[in-house]
Amino acid sequence: SQQGEEDPQALSIQEGENATMNCSYKTSINNLQWYRQNSGRGLVHLILIRSNEREKHSGRLRVTLDTSKKSSSLLITASRAADTASYFCATYGGGSTLGRLYFGRGTQLTVWP
Amino acid sequence: DGGITQSPKYLFRKEGQNVTLSCEQNLNHDAMYWYRQDPGQGLRLIYYSQIVNDFQKGDIAEGYSVSREKKESFPLTVTSAQKNPTAFYLCASSIGRDLYNEQFFGPGTRLTVL
Repeated sequence: SQQGEEDPQALSIQEGENATMNCSYKTSINNLQWYRQNSGRGLVHLILIRSNEREKHSGRLRVTLDTSKKSSSLLITASRAADTASYFCATYGGGSTLGRLYFGRGTQLTVWP
Repeated sequence: DGGITQSPKYLFRKEGQNVTLSCEQNLNHDAMYWYRQDPGQGLRLIYYSQIVNDFQKGDIAEGYSVSREKKESFPLTVTSAQKNPTAFYLCASSIGRDLYNEQFFGPGTRLTVL
C-alpha cells in the first residue's frame, strides 16, 4: 500500500492545548499534504509541504517533514473546539500510480471546551 | 461563488439499480477525481480525469463508470456490479494537469443501498 499512516488514530485534548499528529509514508514523494474533514463533510486542504522543505507554517498550523524518516507531523497550537475534525495526510503515487493521491486513515481530533 | 457541488447529498438505491452521482465545478480545473470513503477509513480513488474526454481507473474502479464530456462535469455511475456500494462518495478537482497539486473537495454524497 502507498498510503500514509497517521498516528494516533484518536486524540482528545482540552481547548488551549497543542495537538500533534504524525504521518508516516512508504515511497519517495514530491510533496505531502494535510487535509481536514469535519464529520459528514468534504475534505479541506490545510497545507502542502514540498520534499525539499523541512518546516512550514500557516496560522496556528505547523508542519514538519523528515524525508530521511519518511515522516511528517502536524502541530495545531492553542486548539479550539472548532478544530474538532479528522485530519489526513496524503501523498501522490509514482510510477504506475502517478497522479493518484493516497490518503491515510486519519487522526480523529476532539477538542473539549 | 467558485467551488465544487455534488448532488444529491443523500441517495437511496435498491439492490440491482444503477445510480448516477453528479459532480460539477466552476473553478476551471482540468483534473477531477472520485473517491470512496468507508467509516473510519481514508479515501480510496475510484476514477480520475486529467483532461476532457479522457479518464483513468483508480484503485477500486470495478463496478463504477464515469464520463468527462465537459470540463465542468464528472458524473459517476454506480452500477449493479458494485457489490458493496453503500459509502460516502467524494468528488475533487485540481488546477492544471500538474500531477502534484492540492485538491479541492465537494461536500460529498452519501449512498445507501437498501
